[in-house]
Amino acid sequence: SQQGEEDPQALSIQEGENATMNCSYKTSINNLQWYRQNSGRGLVHLILIRSNEREKHSGRLRVTLDTSKKSSSLLITASRAADTASYFCATDPTDSWGKLQFGAGTQVVVTP
Amino acid sequence: GAVVSQHPSWVICKSGTSVKIECRSLDFQATTMFWYRQFPKQSLMLMATSNEGSKATYEQGVEKDKFLINHASLTLSTLTVTSAHPEDSSFYICSAIGPLPNSPLHFGNGTRLTVT
Repeated sequence: SQQGEEDPQALSIQEGENATMNCSYKTSINNLQWYRQNSGRGLVHLILIRSNEREKHSGRLRVTLDTSKKSSSLLITASRAADTASYFCATDPTDSWGKLQFGAGTQVVVTP
Repeated sequence: GAVVSQHPSWVICKSGTSVKIECRSLDFQATTMFWYRQFPKQSLMLMATSNEGSKATYEQGVEKDKFLINHASLTLSTLTVTSAHPEDSSFYICSAIGPLPNSPLHFGNGTRLTVT
């Protein structure tokens, strides 16, 4: 079953703007991962943040993790049309390594 | 390059037939593989956990007799959708992980199944 929720469900922005999406989860985790999926395609792994980390950067991506609130956020800065995709958070639970539970996803549309 | 190969990438079959999807780890031994299903505009739902040499563990609500999983070697797991029906049309994705703690997890590119 899905681990938690993501919000917003959909996000429409213009190129150059920042996009922020949030993810909440329910159980203890080893790590939390963010993936991107273009329509009808496979998953692209974006970033992994471990449970003992609070913030992580990768290029234009910034991820935060608050284990006390069981929530994470993904920020995409200076968005591009190519960032148009669905974004999913996935939690890796402490009791079963690799058995990812995905959030509902945020559909991001970046218009030129 | 891809470390997990999923085949076929898409398949169309007639209602009532069976379809086999393969998930191969290319350069590592995958002691555990996971199978997910994704309906259009929805998230990935875990179907089952496949451990090499043992029976798969299915998530609640997933029919084990309909979705047969075989993980006979450390590099191959197969998912067979038996007696497929149009409602089984979906995107099926596998992931694979090695035996060591904190082994990296790799996803296949998915299989688009359309049952007519």
